[in-house]
Amino acid sequence: DGGITQSPKYLFRKEGQNVTLSCEQNLNHDAMYWYRQDPGQGLRLIYYSQIVNDFQKGDIAEGYSVSREKKESFPLTVTSAQKNPTAFYLCASSLWTGAASGANVLTFGAGSRLTVL
Amino acid sequence: GQQLNQSPQSMFIQEGEDVSMNCTSSSIFNTWLWYKQDPGEGPVLLIALYKAGELTSNGRLTAQFGITRKDSFLNISASIPSDVGIYFCAGIPWDSSYKLIFGSGTRLLVRP
Repeated sequence: DGGITQSPKYLFRKEGQNVTLSCEQNLNHDAMYWYRQDPGQGLRLIYYSQIVNDFQKGDIAEGYSVSREKKESFPLTVTSAQKNPTAFYLCASSLWTGAASGANVLTFGAGSRLTVL
Repeated sequence: GQQLNQSPQSMFIQEGEDVSMNCTSSSIFNTWLWYKQDPGEGPVLLIALYKAGELTSNGRLTAQFGITRKDSFLNISASIPSDVGIYFCAGIPWDSSYKLIFGSGTRLLVRP
């Protein structure tokens, strides 16, 4: 079945450590996204990528980094520069046509919960 | 920046009751989406709306794209316990072809 796989589901990190969250999709989608979710809040965009080897900052990119070496994969690194990293992280993907036509409807993974100890 | 105001923040209802929630904005949107998120999971798309005035149903769910293009609502009829979760509206602004703006969510609890 096609879908988006995020791993790990739960991750604990000590302060000062970098951690990388994995996101893999087999939907043949062009675009991939990372969102952060905090309790009682909507989803906030961290980074997105429309094509391989290209990505753009979202609204809250500081303290995060990404890469897009393959169409299927879009890992997110939470660096030690992120001051409040404890959150639920969601990866998503969509087709990409550049037009507001429904191709940008996002499919989400099951999420990764990061806790800083 | 553009924001979506989603209300109510939470609802605690009796099984069998109908539910209504909505999202409003001061900006015009080209697309409205409604997602449901179960605890500890990612959001799942319920309904997508692409034209002003469009009314779309998905089982017991009905959603409408407001005629002004600045709002949308979602109705759930005859609620059941598995309707429990967080419902998010999301929209693509008229001046952006890619960027989804999310509401803050409506948490729904259903009393059996």
